[in-house]
Order: sequence, then C-alpha cells, then structure tokens
Amino acid sequence: DTGVSQDPRHKITKRGQNVTFRCDPISEHNRLYWYRQTLGQGPEFLTYFQNEAQLEKSRLLSDRFSAERPKGSFSTLEIQRTEQGDSAMYLCASSSLSETQYFGPGTRLLVL
Amino acid sequence: GENVEQHPSTLSVQEGDSAVIKCTYSDSASNYFPWYKQELGKGPQLIIDIRSNVGEKKDQRIAVTLNKTAKHFSLHITETQPEDSAVYFCAANPLSGYSTLTFGKGTMLLVSP
Repeated sequence: DTGVSQDPRHKITKRGQNVTFRCDPISEHNRLYWYRQTLGQGPEFLTYFQNEAQLEKSRLLSDRFSAERPKGSFSTLEIQRTEQGDSAMYLCASSSLSETQYFGPGTRLLVL
Repeated sequence: GENVEQHPSTLSVQEGDSAVIKCTYSDSASNYFPWYKQELGKGPQLIIDIRSNVGEKKDQRIAVTLNKTAKHFSLHITETQPEDSAVYFCAANPLSGYSTLTFGKGTMLLVSP
C-alpha cells in the first residue's frame, strides 16, 4: 500500500500525559499537513511542512503541541500535558506540488 | 480567513435518486475546491476536485459545478447507491500561500435501498 499511513490508529491516555503520533506520507510527496477533526466537524488545519521546513502553524496549535519532520520524510506530532479537550481524530495528509491532498486513516485520541 | 458553509447537514435519498450538496466560500481568491468522502472510522478520501478555471467537472456518477461569481460550488451524485452513504466534505484553498484547506462541516448522506 503506497498511501499515507499513521501510527497508532487509536490512543487512550490519561490527562496530563504526553503522546506522540507518527505520519508516513506518500513517498514522493514533499508537502505534509496535520489536521484535527472533532465529532461532527470537518478537519481543521494545524500545521504544514514543505520538506523539513514547518512553514505554517494554525492558531489552534497551542504551545503544548509540537510537530517535526526532521528528514523531510515522516512527521511526528507531540501533545504535551494532554487535556480532555485534545480528544479528537488527528489526520495527516500529503501532497506533491499540486494542491491535491491525500489523507491517512487518522489517529483517534481519547484523553481520560 | 476563509469560511466555508456547507448544506444540508444531512440528506436522505432513495437508491437511484440524485443527491446535491452545496457549499459557499468567502475568500474570492480561493482557486481550488476538492470534495472528500469519509466513512466511519476512516480518513477523508478525495472523490473529485475542481479548479477555478473550470466551471464543471464530471467523473462517472459524480459531478462538481463551480460559480466563482457567486462563490459557490456543488457536488452532484446521480444514480445513488447504498455504498454512497457516508459523510461528504467540501473544502476550499484560501490561497494563504501554502495550499492549506478550509473544510465545511460535512453532509451525512444516507442512501436507502
């Protein structure tokens, strides 16, 4: 399968714990995006990478969130000191120089 | 920033009927409009997209129309089938410079056999 992959698919954690998610984009795609989706809503943009450079961050991305793409391939999204409001589906997407974004299956986070 | 409104929020049709979902956007500079289908527990899947230099695009039973003057675009599904049941999202590229997408809130389509 050559699509976008995300790991883990599900994560349950306790409030205050740190969590890290991984995204592997389609191999030839140099652009990578993170979105967050809550129940009944469309995906909301969090941050964007072109190769290893993080070029844009949403105001939704508080200082507890950090994302990296160290070698311009896979990316990680870390949430520190999780809160119940962080419970959501975290989606990764990738694209080439065209705008067409292809999404992964998502990581569903539940903070207890 | 860009704002995308999507209607209706739910749509129930009988198998074989047509379904139409409409979206409006606020940023006149937006130039790319994809539609995604999302099934329960899965990520969004691109089904069709349109760019601002085109007024209509069709792919088998799915078509999208764009009216840049009115700033609205629509998804048309003909001959609906039960497997078309899912949540559909429209999106717009707000041309912030980095091709990020602003999504509508989604339409839950239910196709009854």
